[in-house]
Amino acid sequence: GENVEQHPSTLSVQEGDSAVIKCTYSDSASNYFPWYKQELGKGPQLIIDIRSNVGEKKDQRIAVTLNKTAKHFSLHITETQPEDSAVYFCAASISGYALNFGKGTSLLVTP
Amino acid sequence: DAMVIQNPRYQVTQFGKPVTLSCSQTLNHNVMYWYQQKSSQAPKLLFHYYDKDFNNEADTPDNFQSRRPNTSFCFLDIRSPGLGDAAMYLCATSGGTDPYEQYFGPGTRLTVT
Repeated sequence: GENVEQHPSTLSVQEGDSAVIKCTYSDSASNYFPWYKQELGKGPQLIIDIRSNVGEKKDQRIAVTLNKTAKHFSLHITETQPEDSAVYFCAASISGYALNFGKGTSLLVTP
Repeated sequence: DAMVIQNPRYQVTQFGKPVTLSCSQTLNHNVMYWYQQKSSQAPKLLFHYYDKDFNNEADTPDNFQSRRPNTSFCFLDIRSPGLGDAAMYLCATSGGTDPYEQYFGPGTRLTVT
């Protein structure tokens, strides 16, 4: 089955700096790659996603890049703010139904 | 606002005592999912419904069952909870404008005593 590796497990940045989280996947048939933000005690919130036919997607301060050849994708957050502090999960899916999640990255943005 | 609602938010049950968790949605999505998320771990898919078609993940224990009586509601039944079943249970839906996008509810935190 699909295996998703996510790094780093924890990330601390200063407010205003950029944060990058990287994921790799094993199944070349995967074609959908969402990123979720989860705050303490809440359900995951979809923040951005990308399909396998697109190399990059941007939404304000958040961007995701996908390298199909290398089977890795990354989340980039620019101009980080304290409210960006949360756990971020990447996921990969073949069908769009079964999301295989990475283990998560705990991001801390310090003022 | 259209949303995914889970009740209760916190549930305490005794070892071996059946428990039911509830999920409802106002998004009119045709797919509903149940995930289990243990502390500091990633969500793990238990099963999903595509309309009324039930799809069980291969490694989901038989102790977990689900019902979907209509489009809006889905239930997770744990027949005989063990201590290892203590977790956050997340309901999600998909089937909107972008059929791949899954929207999660706030979760139910289950404690087994």
